[in-house]
Amino acid sequence: SQQGEEDPQALSIQEGENATMNCSYKTSINNLQWYRQNSGRGLVHLILIRSNEREKHSGRLRVTLDTSKKSSSLLITASRAADTASYFCATDRQGAQKLVFGQGTRLTINP
Amino acid sequence: SAVISQKPSRDICQRGTSLTIQCQVDSQVTMMFWYRQQPGQSLTLIATANQGSEATYESGFVIDKFPISRPNLTFSTLTVSNMSPEDSSIYLCSVEEDRYQPQHFGDGTRLSIL
Repeated sequence: SQQGEEDPQALSIQEGENATMNCSYKTSINNLQWYRQNSGRGLVHLILIRSNEREKHSGRLRVTLDTSKKSSSLLITASRAADTASYFCATDRQGAQKLVFGQGTRLTINP
Repeated sequence: SAVISQKPSRDICQRGTSLTIQCQVDSQVTMMFWYRQQPGQSLTLIATANQGSEATYESGFVIDKFPISRPNLTFSTLTVSNMSPEDSSIYLCSVEEDRYQPQHFGDGTRLSIL
C-alpha cells in the first residue's frame, strides 16, 4: 500500500507564482525523496532529504521535513511553464530497502 | 548518476501474449527495481531484481506473471506474461548505486494491451 499521501492532488497557478506541495507518511524513515514526472515519462530525481535534516535547497526548490509530524513540503519558487508536471514524494522506510511513493500532485503552470 | 536505457519505449500487444522489457545501466549498481504505474496512478513496486538469485516480489505480484532476470550488475529484464487489458501501464526500471544515494529511473515502457 502507498504510505505517502500528497496534497493537493492537483494545483494550477500562474507563471511566476510559488507552488507548494505537501506529503505525509506513516512510519519512520531513513530519507524522503521528491521526483518529477513529465507527461507519463520516467521520473527525474529532484531532492533527497535525510531524516536528520530539516530543510534543503536546490536552485528554485526548497524541501522541508518534519519528522515529528511525519510530513514534508516541496516549494517551487518563481514557477515556469516548464515546471508543469506531476510531483511525487517517496519514502525510504527504516528496515526496508525500497521506496514507497505518494499519490502525487499534478502541477499546472499557466502562462 | 547512472545512465539507464529501457527498451522498448512503448508497445501495443495482443491479449494473451508476453513482452520482455530490458533495462541496461552504464555502470554496475547494487540494486535494481521494477515498478508499475497504472494510468493516472502513482508508482507501485513490483519487485527487487537480485543479481544471481530470484527476485523479491511485493505483495500482489507473482513470479509466474512477472518473471524477472538479473544476470549481472548492469542488466535486468521484466517479462509481462499472458497479458490482459488490465496490464496496460507504464513499467519503469530504477537503480540504486548505493544505499545512501537516490534511485534513478529509466524513461519507462508504455504498454497497451488490446
